[in-house]
Amino acid sequence: KQEVTQIPAALSVPEGENLVLNCSFTDSAIYNLQWFRQDPGKGLTSLLLIQSSQREQTSGRLNASLDKSSGRSTLYIAASQPGDSATYLCAVRPAGANNLFFGTGTRLTVIP
Amino acid sequence: DTEVTQTPKHLVMGMTNKKSLKCEQHMGHRAMYWYKQKAKKPPELMFVYSYEKLSINESVPSRFSPECPNSSLLNLHLHALQPEDSALYLCASSPRGGIHYGYTFGSGTRLTVV
Repeated sequence: KQEVTQIPAALSVPEGENLVLNCSFTDSAIYNLQWFRQDPGKGLTSLLLIQSSQREQTSGRLNASLDKSSGRSTLYIAASQPGDSATYLCAVRPAGANNLFFGTGTRLTVIP
Repeated sequence: DTEVTQTPKHLVMGMTNKKSLKCEQHMGHRAMYWYKQKAKKPPELMFVYSYEKLSINESVPSRFSPECPNSSLLNLHLHALQPEDSALYLCASSPRGGIHYGYTFGSGTRLTVV
């Protein structure tokens, strides 16, 4: 069964810093990997979707990379802002499955 | 329309009540999902509907009863719930058969069982 881990569990940085969130998964047979943002008590907002054949995706200040063979993905956030404070979840869609396996999340706090 | 809409946003119910959660999307997605999320935990899959048919039931207790009346609507009927069923219930959709597409989630229903 696919297992997804995110490190660190929590991260606190001053405004303006660049930061990296990590996601690892145990089975490299995936269709894609998706990064989500979740504000407290709210739903999930999709940030980036990386297909298994891709190495990275970019959207604004966000850049996600995927190394399928090593079972790793990173989410890079440039020039962090207090509005970036949220929990970030990565989720993988295993090949042949119609489901997402979620990581445990990283709670990010950006201090003004 | 690129959204998944869930109603109500908040629900408080007694253990003897019957209530329903509603989820709607108009993106033409043919797969719809119910997830349950406890505080500080990742979402856990409950049910998957594909082309209006139940395709996955993750051994969910029968007090949760899903229904997919049409391709745009997904309901979750609740009956005789327990306090431990209190959680955020998330609905999601994706284009069935489109393995290259991601999932779109709704804003969730915060359920409290008293």
